[in-house]
Amino acid sequence: EVQLVESGGGLVQRGGSLRLSCAASGFTFSTPWMHWVRQAPGKGLMWVSVISSDGSNTNYADSVRGRFTISRDNARNTLYLQMNSLRDEDTAVYYCAFGKVVMTQFDYWGQGTLVTVSS
Amino acid sequence: DIQMTQSPSSLSASVGDRVTITCQASHDISDFLNWYQQKPGKAPKLLIYDASTLEAGVPSRFSGGGSGTDFTFTISSLQAEDIATYYCQQYENPAFTFGGGTRVEIK
Repeated sequence: EVQLVESGGGLVQRGGSLRLSCAASGFTFSTPWMHWVRQAPGKGLMWVSVISSDGSNTNYADSVRGRFTISRDNARNTLYLQMNSLRDEDTAVYYCAFGKVVMTQFDYWGQGTLVTVSS
Repeated sequence: DIQMTQSPSSLSASVGDRVTITCQASHDISDFLNWYQQKPGKAPKLLIYDASTLEAGVPSRFSGGGSGTDFTFTISSLQAEDIATYYCQQYENPAFTFGGGTRVEIK
């Protein structure tokens, strides 16, 4: 069974940093491109970042580019999101997700981890 | 960047009604359009991919159509368990965008 378990969320001060993790199991983690998607409280979904299967290609939403870094450790079956210079508007539930066949859709999602940025 | 305009933002319908949601892309995205269902407190669930292909295990009352810039998502006969928020999502290399969502309620 595919499982994605996010962790690392919590309360952080504006301007601070946080690293999220997504532990994967039940599939060959080194195969799919992996994504982070977030959802602010009561709001819609926003794609954050993607990383290729070997980690050599990444992309980011404009609102997080230069502040967030996506990475992965295929030996540890874990996806990461390093978040720096956090802003109030980064407050959200962060999901990791991937497409089972193609990277253009999100077939599997984790349960999400809440990040709250406070002044 | 491609913008996705989804409408309506909310709707109320009776059980058994036909429900249609639209999504318009700011540029031609071919058929790189997916639809998700999200229930409160849960992660989204993929229902339709490539504009019109039903994900395995998804009831046939759900359907999708369109290509280019205009897309539709239809529930042919609304059921109580379909109460949720629905999102479209596009892919244009190398970025992804979601529509604003449509909250579906029972009248």
